[in-house]
Amino acid sequence: SYVLTQPPSVSVAPGKTARITCAGNNIGSKNVNWYQQKPGQAPVLVIFYDTDRPPGIPERFSGSNSGNTASLTISRVDAGDEADYYCQVWDSSSEHRVFGGGTKLTVL
Amino acid sequence: VQLVESGGGLVQAGGSLRLSCTASGLTFSNYEMNWVRQAPGKGLEWISYISTVGTTIYYADSVKGRFTISRDNAKNSLYLQMNSLRAEDTALYYCARDPMGYYDDSGYYRPEYFEDWGRGTLVTVSS
Repeated sequence: SYVLTQPPSVSVAPGKTARITCAGNNIGSKNVNWYQQKPGQAPVLVIFYDTDRPPGIPERFSGSNSGNTASLTISRVDAGDEADYYCQVWDSSSEHRVFGGGTKLTVL
Repeated sequence: VQLVESGGGLVQAGGSLRLSCTASGLTFSNYEMNWVRQAPGKGLEWISYISTVGTTIYYADSVKGRFTISRDNAKNSLYLQMNSLRAEDTALYYCARDPMGYYDDSGYYRPEYFEDWGRGTLVTVSS
């Protein structure tokens, strides 16, 4: 089955840029989606189809995907961005949806 | 759009439970639906998908043969029948809605991501 690997944690100072990676075999050939989950809350879609933002998601959130790594970039990070972030793809060979293990973003 | 899960609770290993998800604020029959779970302190795990009319269904290997997804469009409801429950099934269970699919020159296109989520219902399996 297809495996997505994320770093367990990323730390960034307020106002700086955070980059969260999601590694998978030839992930650049898949559509990658990203979710934000704050403590005690349901996940929220922040990026779909590698780079698209749903309505209401700030432009500070952006995505990229190439080769074996997809990335979620959050610019001008503030305390409200502190959350767990999950990447997700659809594995066409199994017809299954797959999540990465999640990355905890800490704002220092 | 609102998705509200119910039916969670405490059950002994080997037992059964039926979860429900009731949708409002949308034409439920237009949307493909999923169940996603999250064990305490762990990450997200997709477990099942159902098409708009229930003719296409997929399961994660971890629940295949034990769980059954279904829907009743007349009641705007999604269900998950869980049998032969194990301690490792202990989790918060979310229902999650796909964006609406559409037809293009290649046929039917199914977006493979989760646009809306419920707040979840907690299932605890005691061993």
